Amino acid sequence: AQSVTQPDARVTVSEGASLQLRCKYSYSGTPYLFWYVQYPRQGLQLLLKYYSGDPVVQGVNGFEAEFSKSNSSFHLRKASVHWSDSAVYFCVLSPRQGGRALIFGTGTTVSVSP
Amino acid sequence: DTTVKQNPRYKLARVGKPVNLICSQTMNHDTMYWYQKKPNQAPKLLLFYYDKILNREADTFEKFQSSRPNNSFCSLYIGSAGLEYSAMYLCASSRQGANTGQLYFGEGSKLTVL
Repeated sequence: AQSVTQPDARVTVSEGASLQLRCKYSYSGTPYLFWYVQYPRQGLQLLLKYYSGDPVVQGVNGFEAEFSKSNSSFHLRKASVHWSDSAVYFCVLSPRQGGRALIFGTGTTVSVSP
Repeated sequence: DTTVKQNPRYKLARVGKPVNLICSQTMNHDTMYWYQKKPNQAPKLLLFYYDKILNREADTFEKFQSSRPNNSFCSLYIGSAGLEYSAMYLCASSRQGANTGQLYFGEGSKLTVL
């Protein structure tokens, strides 16, 4: 079965500290993978995407993610967080073949403290 | 303009009463989606329109209706609301399917059923 697991429901980090959000997926093959972010009172926005090639992909606002086929993971990282990074982050999988359904993780709420 | 607009933002409904949620987009996207999001759960796809063709998920087939009178608008209709329908409803749109992962989301409509 296809699924996405985000093991950390909430993460609190200090401003300026590094951040890593974990994402594991279950899929027979190599899926398309994404991170979406939802800032307070806003809709979900695409942060970055992985289709193929270089396993490290860059996104907006200094975020990057690394795809690992051997670990079935797609972890999100940022070297130095800002208070404005406080949001809910969703790891998302899209099957490569057929269908239009995105499979979401349950999300990780990030709180950045001053 | 890359926005998806949803109305109403907040809806209070009585058990057994109908609910109609509206979504619009001006990006000429061929596909529009409705997701249901409950606290601490992943967004769940309810249905989507590809052009004029409606696709409903098997497990929510009988619970939700939808219409798309033109390319820009899409509604989500609940004929008789139950307590279990209380959730955030997210509308999204995309071009050429979701496999590319680039969905544009609205801010959501929060439905509370009493």
